[in-house]
Amino acid sequence: DAGITQSPRHKVTETGTPVTLRCHQTENHRYMYWYRQDPGHGLRLIHYSYGVKDTDKGEVSDGYSVSRSKTEDFLLTLESATSSQTSVYFCAISEGQGNEKLFFGSGTQLSVL
Amino acid sequence: QQQVKQSPQSLIVQKGGISIINCAYENTAFDYFPWYQQFPGKGPALLIAIRPDVSEKKEGRFTISFNKSAKQFSLHIMDSQPGDSATYFCAASNYGQNFVFGPGTRLSVLP
Repeated sequence: DAGITQSPRHKVTETGTPVTLRCHQTENHRYMYWYRQDPGHGLRLIHYSYGVKDTDKGEVSDGYSVSRSKTEDFLLTLESATSSQTSVYFCAISEGQGNEKLFFGSGTQLSVL
Repeated sequence: QQQVKQSPQSLIVQKGGISIINCAYENTAFDYFPWYQQFPGKGPALLIAIRPDVSEKKEGRFTISFNKSAKQFSLHIMDSQPGDSATYFCAASNYGQNFVFGPGTRLSVLP
């Protein structure tokens, strides 16, 4: 999966607990994205980053925060998980700036009980 | 205006047949239109992509047809095979940023 590692691959947690998902890339791509995938909705953008410490909100950012302290790592945090955040989360990377190819990780299945 | 619509939701095709999936967009600023293929338990993978300056792009059995005036584009899979059974997503982006995805089409190719 194009040098993208997501961890954990599966997680079960309880409502109200904080959760952090990690995305690590070895491609040195500038852009990194977090998407969630739900049946009937396709892939929806949560947050993205266009450089170290440069992030912006996506379509469904409420309840999520992100951080990027190094080029290779992009963290997604659910401050207080809710059942509506049960989903499959995908990290993606792209070089950007005219090179639009978007590469995805293998995903994290998150269940909030 | 950012939405990308995709149809059908699911598609069943016999082996050797043609699979056709359609997408429509609103935002005329989009300048890149990829299709992604996703197998169960895997992340989406880029299959083929087109820019609005051409009306068709073909790679092997996969063809994108693009109609700029109608703001529509479609994926054609010729000689469909059971191994093509997957979920397909169309997408659109503006200069490689802000990718917007369709809801997906689950394709089943019967042997």
